[in-house]
Parts: sequence; structure tokens; C-alpha cells
Amino acid sequence: QSVLTQPPSVSAAPGQRVTISCSGSRSNIGNNYVSWFQQFPGTAPKLLIYENSKRPSGIPDRFSGSKSGTSATLGITGLQTGDEADYYCGTWDSSLSVGVFGGGTKLTVL
Amino acid sequence: EMQLLESGGDLVQPGGSLRLSCAASGFTFGSYAMYWVRQAPGKGLEWVSGNSGGGGSTYYADSVKGRCTISRDNSKNTLYLQMDSLRAEDTAVYYCAKDRLHGYVGGPLDFDLWGRGTLVTVSS
Repeated sequence: QSVLTQPPSVSAAPGQRVTISCSGSRSNIGNNYVSWFQQFPGTAPKLLIYENSKRPSGIPDRFSGSKSGTSATLGITGLQTGDEADYYCGTWDSSLSVGVFGGGTKLTVL
Repeated sequence: EMQLLESGGDLVQPGGSLRLSCAASGFTFGSYAMYWVRQAPGKGLEWVSGNSGGGGSTYYADSVKGRCTISRDNSKNTLYLQMDSLRAEDTAVYYCAKDRLHGYVGGPLDFDLWGRGTLVTVSS
């Protein structure tokens, strides 16, 4: 059982927009920045979004992040088949003094 | 080019020990907090441990607290994870990861550099 809650899967057609939610509590998302990671099978995760909404160099602006209260959202527009991957949210939990990840969301581009 | 390379993963019996290493290159290693994150087969990411840039602060997930020790040798640009009293549920790919900006643990999980991982299998 992950501290952060994500939907197990989402799907959408190529070219469409999809959002992935990440729900937590005041001690984690509510008081800390959220990061998002993309992971393809058999490879290491890759930082996609940091500080809730910022994109590292090289990440296309099709990917966006937002946070409100104790929830965060990853948005992907102009879906491509190459976006099929697992997506994870993560943050620090100030009460537990540990890092926490969501359970991951598998994105399928139909 | 910044790079992390893990090693030390192996097949070990329950109750056994392993020491994982993560060799860093391409950046000023001692300036950044470093972390271990694991992923059990077919499962999600699990934060395991974090170590401040100077090595003085360490944090552990409850699942490994008391059985694992994170450390680093900044003169060798290497991060370690000593794992003792291993259990079947410790079976996973272990990744080391670099903090994007901070030298302290407790900031956001801005892991901008990851290694390829090393597989630890605990089985009799």
C-alpha cells in the first residue's frame, strides 16, 4: 500500500490528452514539492517534472504538472505511442521523514 | 557526462548480506544528496534510503531500518548500501539516484540522474 495514491492505469488515443492523479496528505504533498517520473520497461526511471510543475531540460512541453492542496496531477497532451510507460509521482513525507512514491500508473496509448 | 553505475547485486540466501556500490562520475559527487530506490519484480518504486552530500545525515525506509546502512566515500565518488539480514521481500532491482540540486536529504525527490540498477535476489 503506497502512501501516495495513483490510478493503476489510464488510456487515451493518440493525439489526445490524459491526466494522471496523485493523492496524498498534508505531511507529504501538502507541504512538499512533487516530482514525476517516467519509466519504460527494463529501464531506469527518468525525471519528468520537478517542483510540481517544472520540466528538466529536454522534456517536451507536452508534459505538465500541477499541485493543489494534497493532490498533484501530471498532464500529457498530444499523446504519442512512445509515451506508453509507467508514471510515478514522488515527494518527501515530513512526518515519516522518508521519501514516498505513488504506486505507479500504466499509460496505454490506444 | 554525468553517470551512475551500480554493482554488487547477487543471489543471496535469506539472512545473508550484500554490499551494493554506486560509482559516480561527471559531477561533484560530494555536493549532492544521494539515494537508493528499489523496485521489486513487477512492482512500483520504493524509496529505500538517503544520504546527505557530506555523509553525516542518513534516512531509511521502515522496511530496511536496522538492516541496511547507507554510506559514501566522497574521495572515491562512491555510494554504498550495506544490506544485512536479507529477506525474500528485499528481492528487487536497486537503483542509486542523484538529487538534482540539494546536498541535504529531506527535500523534494528531484532525482535527475539514475543508474541502470543492480539486481538483488534473496532466495534459498
